[in-house]
Amino acid sequence: DVVMTQTPLSSPVTLGQPASISCRSSQSLVHSDGNTYLSWLQQRPGQPPRLLIYKISNRFSGVPDRFSGSGAGTDFTLKISRVEAEDVGVYYCMQTTQFPYTFGQGTKLEI
Amino acid sequence: EVQLLESGGGLEQPGGSLRLSCAASGFTLSDYFMSWVRQAPGKGLEWVSVISPSGDGTYYADSVKGRFTISRDTSRNTLYLQMNSLRAEDTALYYCTKGKMVPDSWGQGTLVTVSS
Repeated sequence: DVVMTQTPLSSPVTLGQPASISCRSSQSLVHSDGNTYLSWLQQRPGQPPRLLIYKISNRFSGVPDRFSGSGAGTDFTLKISRVEAEDVGVYYCMQTTQFPYTFGQGTKLEI
Repeated sequence: EVQLLESGGGLEQPGGSLRLSCAASGFTLSDYFMSWVRQAPGKGLEWVSVISPSGDGTYYADSVKGRFTISRDTSRNTLYLQMNSLRAEDTALYYCTKGKMVPDSWGQGTLVTVSS
């Protein structure tokens, strides 16, 4: 199985300041079709997960442009350019390149 | 608008069974891969199972293989998860999600508690 490792697991941030979360996979996430199926999800307190970023760097519909994703192969990063209060929650990376799909442990973003 | 509404959770004894449902609206279930993902209380996310659009392709996490069965009823546009031989470690909030490579929609979840 592909192991997804996120760092840090907890991130105190300041409103208006940038934040960054890293995700490393134990194997390359490049699919045989040439795409890399690495997504980022946000889970606000008491809410279900919500898709933010798919295929490394594509923002999902309605996601603010302060969120961005980057990376390749086995190393990926989610960046928030200026943290807002509504960004508090837990962020997960997820790979859907191969079964079983796997998630990172989650990174708690705290103001 | 895509909506996923899970139901069927509850309290069950170890060794018992439950069937979860996920009613889909705003899209046709049989056009998409659909998955179940669970989250134990205070823990992270764990992918459980997926079913192909045709319904003839399924895949399971090792932790549930042989005990859980994913299926769907296209006439009802509803996804199911039959859960047998339940264990305490199956206690979790169960979400259904739409999409294979890109999990773009998630339901609110239904809580399953396995305890004597």
